[in-house]
Amino acid sequence: DGGITQSPKYLFRKEGQNVTLSCEQNLNHDAMYWYRQDPGQGLRLIYYSQIVNDFQKGDIAEGYSVSREKKESFPLTVTSAQKNPTAFYLCASSIGGGTEQFFGPGTRLTVL
Amino acid sequence: GQNIDQPTEMTATEGAIVQINCTYQTSGFNGLFWYQQHAGEAPTFLSYNVLDGLEEKGRFSSFLSRSKGYSYLLLKELQMKDSASYLCAVKNSGYALNFGKGTSLLVTP
Repeated sequence: DGGITQSPKYLFRKEGQNVTLSCEQNLNHDAMYWYRQDPGQGLRLIYYSQIVNDFQKGDIAEGYSVSREKKESFPLTVTSAQKNPTAFYLCASSIGGGTEQFFGPGTRLTVL
Repeated sequence: GQNIDQPTEMTATEGAIVQINCTYQTSGFNGLFWYQQHAGEAPTFLSYNVLDGLEEKGRFSSFLSRSKGYSYLLLKELQMKDSASYLCAVKNSGYALNFGKGTSLLVTP
């Protein structure tokens, strides 16, 4: 079955620690995205990647980093520089820009 | 820049029809998407409009007027499982989508 997986579903970390969220897709999509969702808020774009070995900052990239070494994978690192990291993180992919985005199940990160 | 507005909350009765509006202002427009999101889950695609007019898909329809910067999602024969957030997203000349804050719909018996 094709789809997007994110792991883990729930993640807890101590303040000051970096943490990496996994996102894998087997849809053969070129484009991948990371969004953050806070209660009562829409999805805000953190980073996106149009193709392997290339990525661009979204609206709220500060305190986050990404890599795109493989087409299937787009991990997101939440660094200690991110001042308010507790949120629901969603990964998505699409065939290309402007087409329907398919979302993973999300990772809920809580900083203690 | 981009500004997308949707009502925060709506309530409707099972079996009824509800219309969720979305207005947007954008420097460039290349399509509008509607997604459904149940609490704690991923958004799922409902519809896509790039030309003016109505797109119908089963119980759900979506309308777009580019000149007015306006779209709506129409849900017919409401069911309890339709209780969810509905997200309007606009694609401009860039690569990613810009999402509104979503409309939380509660369907009551």
